[in-house]
Amino acid sequence: DVKVTQSSRYLVKRTGEKVFLECVQDMDHENMFWYRQDPGLGLRLIYFSYDVKMKEKGDIPEGYSVSREKKERFSLILESASTNQTSMYLCASSTRDRGNTGELFFGEGSRLTVL
Amino acid sequence: QKEVEQNSGPLSVPEGAIASLNCTYSDRVSQSFFWYRQYSGKSPELIMSIYSNGDKEDGRFTAQLNKASQYVSLLIRDSQPSDSATYLCAVWSSARQLTFGSGTQLTVLP
Repeated sequence: DVKVTQSSRYLVKRTGEKVFLECVQDMDHENMFWYRQDPGLGLRLIYFSYDVKMKEKGDIPEGYSVSREKKERFSLILESASTNQTSMYLCASSTRDRGNTGELFFGEGSRLTVL
Repeated sequence: QKEVEQNSGPLSVPEGAIASLNCTYSDRVSQSFFWYRQYSGKSPELIMSIYSNGDKEDGRFTAQLNKASQYVSLLIRDSQPSDSATYLCAVWSSARQLTFGSGTQLTVLP
């Protein structure tokens, strides 16, 4: 079974703090994604990566950065957390082998609260 | 205009009935369409994918695609209380991204 593991299920941070959200997948997937999910807004893509060292902006990249130094790991960084970044963050991965790579496997999510 | 639109619901159906979930999308060149199910407090999980016009059946689930109308639907036959969840429509766009609708909350009443 594909396993996507997010390092922290719940985090509470203060405004201005730097926040790292880690995601690791064990299926040798090429593609990795970070989404945030908010009530009424659905899932919104923050960043994605199709290979090591590669990253592309999604729909809402402002205030975030990412790092992919190893194939299995994709990190989301909030350089200076703000209250409007309070959200559920979901990491996902997919293989390039499938035609359109829309078959995503999600981690359990990281609920971040910024005070 | 949102790229992927769903009726937000909530949608309630009695046990044993057919639940019908609908989705429209704006990117005409989209080729791949997906339905994810998300239970409360859990992550989304893929339940159906469809790539060609017409119907695709998997057990009690049928996905329907009409590219000319830019319309995707999911039918759940013989609905069970365990089907109560939020259903997310997702479209793989020409921008090489998977874009999700905001989801339809389904409740199956015993």
